[in-house]
Amino acid sequence: GESVGLHLPTLSVQEGDNSIINCAYSNSASDYFIWYKQESGKGPQFIIDIRSNMDKRQGQRVTVLLNKTVKHLSLQIAATQPGDSAVYFCAEKDAGGTSYGKLTFGQGTILTVHP
Amino acid sequence: NAGVMQNPRHLVRRRGQEARLRCSPMKGHSHVYWYRQLPEEGLKFMVYLQKENIIDESGMPKERFSAEFPKEGPSILRIQQVVRGDSAAYFCASSPFGHDTGELFFGEGSRLTVL
Repeated sequence: GESVGLHLPTLSVQEGDNSIINCAYSNSASDYFIWYKQESGKGPQFIIDIRSNMDKRQGQRVTVLLNKTVKHLSLQIAATQPGDSAVYFCAEKDAGGTSYGKLTFGQGTILTVHP
Repeated sequence: NAGVMQNPRHLVRRRGQEARLRCSPMKGHSHVYWYRQLPEEGLKFMVYLQKENIIDESGMPKERFSAEFPKEGPSILRIQQVVRGDSAAYFCASSPFGHDTGELFFGEGSRLTVL
């Protein structure tokens, strides 16, 4: 029979604009959150992380915001470049998890940057 | 310093055959994780191993799937009697001993197609 594929959320921006990618999580026991970037045909690449005792963390051109009240995570990319085009995944770790490497990934958001 | 090496990059199997996927972690890394990614979905945790030990296999299907990380050689993810639903990208990731972040180093994945 015919299969129906999932459609990932997409975000299209112009080069130089700021991008904001959002993620909702459901596990109130999660105590650690991460953003990964995955380019086509490649494995995910770590971008930035944040622990649950923080609400903001900044890296180089990226900022992660955590709102535990509404279980929301966002990734802000400043001055977006064509090389930022990829699928972005948020991931979380349960406080009772066996390892920081045991992560629950979200569905992903496709970011396309137009020159 | 070579990254995480996975092979084969692409593997085609007929239903009922066996698939073996190999992963060599980064030099100095003693933790290995396997994740599965279906098209347009996030990664799903399968198993966490250290040398000669399976630490957490809560994401592994109960039948047909097994994983090992022997004292010498790469980690192996083995799928027996493959079915079409096993078609996916399988990613291996590694991290150093005693890590306390979710910064995993992923390989480029092995893409399994079951005919």
